[in-house]
Amino acid sequence: AQSVAQPEDQVNVAEGNPLTVKCTYSVSGNPYLFWYVQYPNRGLQFLLKYITGDNLVKGSYGFEAEFNKSQTSFHLKKPSALVSDSALYFCAVRDGINAGNMLTFGGGTRLMVKP
Amino acid sequence: GAVVSQHPSRVICKSGTSVKIECRSLDFQATTMFWYRQFPKKSLMLMATSNEGSKATYEQGVEKDKFLINHASLTLSTLTVTSAHPEDSSFYICSASLAGVLYNEQFFGPGTRLTVL
Repeated sequence: AQSVAQPEDQVNVAEGNPLTVKCTYSVSGNPYLFWYVQYPNRGLQFLLKYITGDNLVKGSYGFEAEFNKSQTSFHLKKPSALVSDSALYFCAVRDGINAGNMLTFGGGTRLMVKP
Repeated sequence: GAVVSQHPSRVICKSGTSVKIECRSLDFQATTMFWYRQFPKKSLMLMATSNEGSKATYEQGVEKDKFLINHASLTLSTLTVTSAHPEDSSFYICSASLAGVLYNEQFFGPGTRLTVL
């Protein structure tokens, strides 16, 4: 079985400050990890993924995430937050490289960036 | 590329009626499509996985006779909510993927907001 935990329901950060949204995972095989962002009444937008290779993954809109195998974590980070980054963020894991395998989502973390 | 559309974007219906939601992959052929349900301020819950030309695989607790899924072509999957009840009101999101090593992510549709009166 695979699972994802996002321990924070909400993260508050001031504009211009660095942000971190936490994610830990559990999977029996090799983890394939994803971050998605969701704006109100919209579907999910892909931010970045870790499949293999460098542990630091760079994605869209200046976001990056670091894969840490020993801590089974894949925290999302951005050096300088923007008000427009305010949204709902989901971490997801897939057990297996095949895109036909199911994704398991974390509970989501609401990011609030204040001016 | 890799655009997934959903229609309608929002629908309001009366209790007891049926509603069909379409999910289309616009610029690629999707061998697998997924249907998710999202409650307000909650995560996505996978309802079912459908592979083109075969019956959908439903997650535990999802009534297959209530949520009919058809994946008749490589670019279209439909979810029909039959005999809708107010508790079926939710945000339904589909995603599509092309199985294989090179295509290793799911592409999500914009979602359909269903309100059952």
